[in-house]
Amino acid sequence: EVQLVESGGGLVQPGGSLGLSCAASGFTFSNYWMSWVRQAPGKGLEWVANIKEDGSEMYNVDSVKGRFTISRDNSRKSLYLQMNSLRAEDTAVYYCARVSQNFLWPTHYYYMDVWGQGTTVTVSS
Amino acid sequence: DIQLTQSPSFLSASVGDRVTISCRASEGISSYLAWYQQKPGKAPRLLIYAASTLQSGVPSRFSGGGSGTEFTLTISSLQPEDFATYYCQQLNTFPTFGPGTKVDIK
Repeated sequence: EVQLVESGGGLVQPGGSLGLSCAASGFTFSNYWMSWVRQAPGKGLEWVANIKEDGSEMYNVDSVKGRFTISRDNSRKSLYLQMNSLRAEDTAVYYCARVSQNFLWPTHYYYMDVWGQGTTVTVSS
Repeated sequence: DIQLTQSPSFLSASVGDRVTISCRASEGISSYLAWYQQKPGKAPRLLIYAASTLQSGVPSRFSGGGSGTEFTLTISSLQPEDFATYYCQQLNTFPTFGPGTKVDIK
């Protein structure tokens, strides 16, 4: 079964740090871009970060630049998000997602087709 | 950044109704658009990608259309399990999501 399972969420004080993990199973992890997406309480979805199959390229949303780092370990089939200098506005459910692609002539189309169940991060004093 | 807007924000409908949700991009994104369904407390579920390609396993009552800046998601006959929030997402550049459309029972 294709599956993503996040872990590492919890309560942290403003300015603190937290590391999230996402364990993949049921597919060849090293063949896919991966993403982190978050959802603040009662709000919509927000893309946080992407990482290329081999970890050589990483991108993130402006609001987390310099604070969050996405990484992966293909030997462990795991995705990570290191979050530093946390703020109250980072409070959210964090999902990891697989980014798949399909070639529909004349171009590739990307989409997030597998999602984890989410892990909750609460930033509060 | 490319912004997405959705209309309506909230939709009240009955089982069997035909429902259409619109998504507008702030600039042209060709067909780099996906639609997701999310139920309370659950992860999003991919419905459609490339604006109109149905994801495997998704019922055929869901369909997508449009290109450029105007897109639609249509549910041809609303079923009880379709009451949820729907999000569009553009993947032309760094991904962004629309604000969502909540479909509720009339």
